[in-house]
Amino acid sequence: DQQVKQNSPSLSVQEGRISILNCDYTNSMFDYFLWYKKYPAEGPTFLISISSIKDKNEDGRFTVFLNKSAKHLSLHIVPSQPGDSAVYFCAASARNAGGTSYGKLTFGQGTILTVHP
Amino acid sequence: GAGVSQSPSNKVTEKGKDVELRCDPISGHTALYWYRQSLGQGLEFLIYFQGNSAPDKSGLPSDRFSAERTGGSVSTLTIQRTQQEDSAVYLCASSYYWTSGTYEQYFGPGTRLTVT
Repeated sequence: DQQVKQNSPSLSVQEGRISILNCDYTNSMFDYFLWYKKYPAEGPTFLISISSIKDKNEDGRFTVFLNKSAKHLSLHIVPSQPGDSAVYFCAASARNAGGTSYGKLTFGQGTILTVHP
Repeated sequence: GAGVSQSPSNKVTEKGKDVELRCDPISGHTALYWYRQSLGQGLEFLIYFQGNSAPDKSGLPSDRFSAERTGGSVSTLTIQRTQQEDSAVYLCASSYYWTSGTYEQYFGPGTRLTVT
């Protein structure tokens, strides 16, 4: 049961253009979402996150949009740079039973982004 | 400051042998997580330690897998009687106890386990 899905295995974009990576989830208990970037032979690196009380969060060239009714989030990278080429993972978390903390992350399968010069 | 470190970086073992993978979290992080990434797959949760609470072991795939965290810091993931399907990159992450506003897990570089 894939609770977090990234339906596009790969995305190719020209330098300077916008990259849009998409993610869908099925578990309505998820209320915190994160994007990670991963280079080969390295661990994932945190990029940006969003709580379910927001529908947008922006950090420099990176913006995450959350559509709770559609259970969909997206990551926009503007402008895209060749150094952005990596695997991007969407992840989601739900609070524990007491509502006091988050625990494990549930990850999508990743999207390989290639930014061409 | 120092990030999450893992050792060894690579481990090749024969089917049926036991292996131990080590994780040193970021100092001060109270939560520690183990995930694995099999070839072509996303990251799969294995186990989670938070302070003195009982660990969340819900992701361990079989009773051949176990983990401990000593002194609230270093953690060891043990796989007994390894099988070829255990071949994967094992990733450790740590985080602060969640407070309102932000919650990020910081990952180590991983241990690539190959079972021959």
